[in-house]
Amino acid sequence: DSGVTQTPKHLITATGQRVTLRCSPRSGDLSVYWYQQSLDQGLQFLIQYYNGEERAKGNILERFSAQQFPDLHSELNLSSLELGDSALYFCASSVEGGNNYGYTFGSGTRLTVV
Amino acid sequence: GQSLEQPSEVTAVEGAIVQINCTYQTSGFYGLSWYQQHDGGAPTFLSYNALDGLEETGRFSSFLSRSDSYGYLLLQELQMKDSASYFCASDYGQNFVFGPGTRLSVLP
Repeated sequence: DSGVTQTPKHLITATGQRVTLRCSPRSGDLSVYWYQQSLDQGLQFLIQYYNGEERAKGNILERFSAQQFPDLHSELNLSSLELGDSALYFCASSVEGGNNYGYTFGSGTRLTVV
Repeated sequence: GQSLEQPSEVTAVEGAIVQINCTYQTSGFYGLSWYQQHDGGAPTFLSYNALDGLEETGRFSSFLSRSDSYGYLLLQELQMKDSASYFCASDYGQNFVFGPGTRLSVLP
């Protein structure tokens, strides 16, 4: 157990639908990052939050949004889903200035859009 | 944009040494990390190099040359369990940009 909790582990939904992925960071970590990993692909950075505020945005589609709540958990909302959105979605957390310790990743949510 | 290059696949036998190279773009670069990911699993952090030189952690070592915009991960005494994908990730201050990954296959 890495300390980063992601739910649900698996999600199957139809095109056009909306889903919410949830992430609880490791205790003490203020930063949360969301990454998308398609089949046999690398990790694509979506968005970062730090202590409730959006800090950096990557190649995140307008159909996707995220937020970080006062208790530091984060949610990634995916709407108007398309077949191409099927992927593993990882959440990671880190301490501020803790690059020497890297990111701690959750086990991911596997989204299948049918 | 910020992108990294790594070989897509590497194959080696048990007990051997393998080096996985990574080149990155220098604009805004702070450091280079390496992650291991087994099939279906989460990436796990291996190392971070902010300065030039070699960092050794057990059987794994990581090297950085800022002047060459290049780094590598060195895996020694390979074991079957080392079969996985390895990602380099460059630190640009706000977040890490990950490379496409190198799939390492360790053969008996």
